[in-house]
Amino acid sequence: SQKIEQNSEALNIQEGKTATLTCNYTNYSPAYLQWYRQDPGRGPVFLLLIRENEKEKRKERLKVTFDTTLKQSLFHITASQPADSATYLCVPNSGYALNFGKGTSLLVTP
Amino acid sequence: SQTIHQWPATLVQPVGSPLSLECTVEGTSNPNLYWYRQAAGRGLQLLFYSVGIGQISSEVPQNLSASRPQDRQFILSSKKLLLSDSGFYLCAWRGSGVSGNTIYFGEGSWLTVV
Repeated sequence: SQKIEQNSEALNIQEGKTATLTCNYTNYSPAYLQWYRQDPGRGPVFLLLIRENEKEKRKERLKVTFDTTLKQSLFHITASQPADSATYLCVPNSGYALNFGKGTSLLVTP
Repeated sequence: SQTIHQWPATLVQPVGSPLSLECTVEGTSNPNLYWYRQAAGRGLQLLFYSVGIGQISSEVPQNLSASRPQDRQFILSSKKLLLSDSGFYLCAWRGSGVSGNTIYFGEGSWLTVV
């Protein structure tokens, strides 16, 4: 069956450091992979989309990589800030059903 | 611009009572529509999705059902709620097709079954 795995443990980092979050998937052949941010009590909000023929995508302090051979995407936040504290979700896009990973909780401390 | 609304925002229902959550999308046509549930401290679970009027796909067996009576209306229902139905319910939409369109979420509905 299809499976999406994200860092199961919360990630605590110091302000200014780079946060790296991992998304691994099995039994998917996604043409796209998206990353979302979710704050408590809110719905997820879109951050970045990367296509299968793209190795890397950047947007301001965010960077996403996509390795279809390893079936893995990495999400980086550089120069992290306390406002980046949230849960980050990945979504491999394959077909109409859109399943989210369970997310990685990121806490950035001053 | 496109908007998505869902209601009610909060409800407390007794076990065995019925449920109806409604979601509407404006500013787009033929969207793909989704219902998700998030239990406390857990991830998003895809419950149902729809690619067109009257077309419903169920992802998990449960005592919930969904309907899409109009192009931009998606309803989540239950005839008899269980305690385990408590959670945060989110409606979402994206553009038609299977391309990597952005997924937009409603404000969410908090359901507590007592």
